[in-house]
Amino acid sequence: KAGVTQTPRYLIKTRGQQVTLSCSPISGHRSVSWYQQTPGQGLQFLFEYFSETQRNKGNFPGRFSGRQFSNSRSEMNVSTLELGDSALYLCASKFGPGKGTEAFFGQGTRLTVV
Amino acid sequence: QQQVKQSPQSLIVQKGGISIINCAYENTAFDYFPWYQQFPGKGPALLIAIRPDVSEKKEGRFTISFNKSAKQFSLHIMDSQPGDSATYFCAAHQGGSEKLVFGKGMKLTVNP
Repeated sequence: KAGVTQTPRYLIKTRGQQVTLSCSPISGHRSVSWYQQTPGQGLQFLFEYFSETQRNKGNFPGRFSGRQFSNSRSEMNVSTLELGDSALYLCASKFGPGKGTEAFFGQGTRLTVV
Repeated sequence: QQQVKQSPQSLIVQKGGISIINCAYENTAFDYFPWYQQFPGKGPALLIAIRPDVSEKKEGRFTISFNKSAKQFSLHIMDSQPGDSATYFCAAHQGGSEKLVFGKGMKLTVNP
């Protein structure tokens, strides 16, 4: 069974540009969450989608957005990139809502903003 | 505001020793507490998890102890091995959402 696939693995962008990251969840999983990981702030929740609907959102500016498609694949977009957006962006998939279901993480997309 | 506090930040143990990681939380809405292991270049992988109505859970060499009244929980790694060298994160699931709140992580080094 394939795991969570995130593409691309690495990205280098310039300040002011925008970027789109992609996440393909495990087959059959319908819940996708996104996290930002930095050395200073650790792992922080960005947002979560289930059945193409954003159910929860973390405390990030509106430059961070996402969407989910009917096949459960998800994308997140960051517009007007800032140096501080450099981070590892992780996607996690779950079968569905609920505290007991395990969240599986992808390997992440390493974004560097120069 | 850090909702889950993890300590220590780093730990060095000898092979065969016991590694202990502690976490504390304030939010009583947390209803599920997983631990994740992360190797360099990889995403976090779930190790073991516990619900607040259970005081202890053991899976192989990994044991979670949970103290609901003190709002604290800990991970014990018995017979630590060099292959356990990684960063460990405690997390808490926020009831009513799919949000996981993570501790800052602890880098474990197990010397052979």
